[in-house]
Amino acid sequence: EPEVTQTPSHQVTQMGQEVILRCVPISNHLYFYWYRQILGQKVEFLVSFYNNEISEKSEIFDDQFSVERPDGSNFTLKIRSTKLEDSAMYFCASSEALGNEQFFGPGTRLTVL
Amino acid sequence: SQQGEEDPQALSIQEGENATMNCSYKTSINNLQWYRQNSGRGLVHLILIRSNEREKHSGRLRVTLDTSKKSSSLLITASRAADTASYFCATNQAGTALIFGKGTTLSVSS
Repeated sequence: EPEVTQTPSHQVTQMGQEVILRCVPISNHLYFYWYRQILGQKVEFLVSFYNNEISEKSEIFDDQFSVERPDGSNFTLKIRSTKLEDSAMYFCASSEALGNEQFFGPGTRLTVL
Repeated sequence: SQQGEEDPQALSIQEGENATMNCSYKTSINNLQWYRQNSGRGLVHLILIRSNEREKHSGRLRVTLDTSKKSSSLLITASRAADTASYFCATNQAGTALIFGKGTTLSVSS
C-alpha cells in the first residue's frame, strides 16, 4: 500500500542552524501538507501546497519557514534559523484532492539544542 | 479557536469491550477525520466522514456525525490490546487545513 515517507526520522541541530525536513508524498496525490506536534500538545497545521504554490498557511508558518517541491517526488520543509521552541515532531501529509483523506508520514522528530 | 475537542481525555477498558470516543466542534465543517497515534509514532488515518453523511463503518470502527449538535463519535467494537493508542478527531473547514483535537488516550487491557 502506498505511504508517505519522511527523512530523517530524527534530527538534532543547534539553535540558529538551518534544517531541511524531507518528505515523499504518495505518488498520485496533488495536495501536500506539513503539520507539527510539540511534545504533549495538539497536532498543528503549518502549511498546504498545491500546484507548486502555497495554498494555505497558519500563523505559525512565519518567514523562517519555507516549503519546496524540488522535483517530481520530494516535498521539503526548511527552517532557516531554528529556535528552541521549534523542537517538535514534524509530520508531512498528502491527499489526492481537496477535502479528501490526508495520509500522514511517520514524522521527523526535530530537537533543537 | 478550539475546534475539535475529544472526550473523554482517557478511557480504560478490558479486551472485548466497546470503546466510544466523542468529538465536538464549533464551526461548520466539510468533513471530519479520525486518526490513531501510537505513542511517539505517526498518525494513522482511520475514517473520513463528510458533512452530508451521518454514519460510516470500517471493520470494527463506526463513526457518526451529528452536524446539528456539531459532534461526532468513534466506536471501536470488540476492542483488542492492539487498539491501545491515542485517538484524534480532525475537522476540515473551508480550506485545506485539518484542525486537531487534544485526543482521547485509550488503554485496552487483556
